[in-house]
Amino acid sequence: TQLLEQSPQFLSIQEGENLTVYCNSSSVFSSLQWYRQEPGEGPVLLVTVVTGGEVKKLKRLTFQFGDARKDSSLHITAAQPGDTGLYLCAGNSGGGADGLTFGKGTHLIIQP
Amino acid sequence: DVKVTQSSRYLVKRTGEKVFLECVQDMDHENMFWYRQDPGLGLRLIYFSYDVKMKEKGDIPEGYSVSREKKERFSLILESASTNQTSMYLCASSPRTLIAKNIQYFGAGTRLSVL
Repeated sequence: TQLLEQSPQFLSIQEGENLTVYCNSSSVFSSLQWYRQEPGEGPVLLVTVVTGGEVKKLKRLTFQFGDARKDSSLHITAAQPGDTGLYLCAGNSGGGADGLTFGKGTHLIIQP
Repeated sequence: DVKVTQSSRYLVKRTGEKVFLECVQDMDHENMFWYRQDPGLGLRLIYFSYDVKMKEKGDIPEGYSVSREKKERFSLILESASTNQTSMYLCASSPRTLIAKNIQYFGAGTRLSVL
C-alpha cells in the first residue's frame, strides 16, 4: 500500500506570514495533485504536477514536485484568511487503477 | 462547468436500514469513485467504476456495494447501516483521457449519521 505523509497536520498562522506544507512518500508517483477542501464541501483541485523537479505557481501558491517524484511541497506567500482550509495531496502510481492515494491533509488556519 | 452532484448533503438513518447515496456527474466521465472521509484517517476509497456496469473494490469495501447502470450515475449502497458507517461520503469522477485521467472532480459530500 502506498502512503502519503503530510506535515504538519495542523498549522495556524497570522495573515501575511509565509508557510510551507509537505507531502512525502517512499513510493514513486507518476503524478501528484494538491486539493483544497473547505468545511462542508468536497475537495477542489488546485494543481497537478507530473515531471520530477517541476514547479508550478498559482498566484501566491507555489507547488514543487521532488526530483525523484516521491515528494511535493506547497508554499504560500503572504497568507490570507481566504487560504484557510484542508490541503490534501494525492498521488497516482501510474498503474492500471485510476484511484488516487490521498494524504491525511494539513489543516491550515490563517488568522486575521 | 464541471458538476458532480450528490443527492443529499445530510442524512440521518437508523442502524439496520438500507441506505442509498446517489451521485450524478454531467461531464461524460468514464471513471467514478466513492470515498469516505473521517477525522484522522483522511479519504479512503470504497469502490470505483471504470464504465457502466463495471465496479472495482477500493481499500475499504466491506459493508458497502455500488451500482452503475448509467454512465452519469454511481450509487453507493449500505445494505444494513451500522454506527461505524457514520461518516462524510464523497463522490468523484474523472475522465479517462491520458493527460487528465488523474484529475478527480468531487461532489460536495453527504454527511451520514447512523443512530
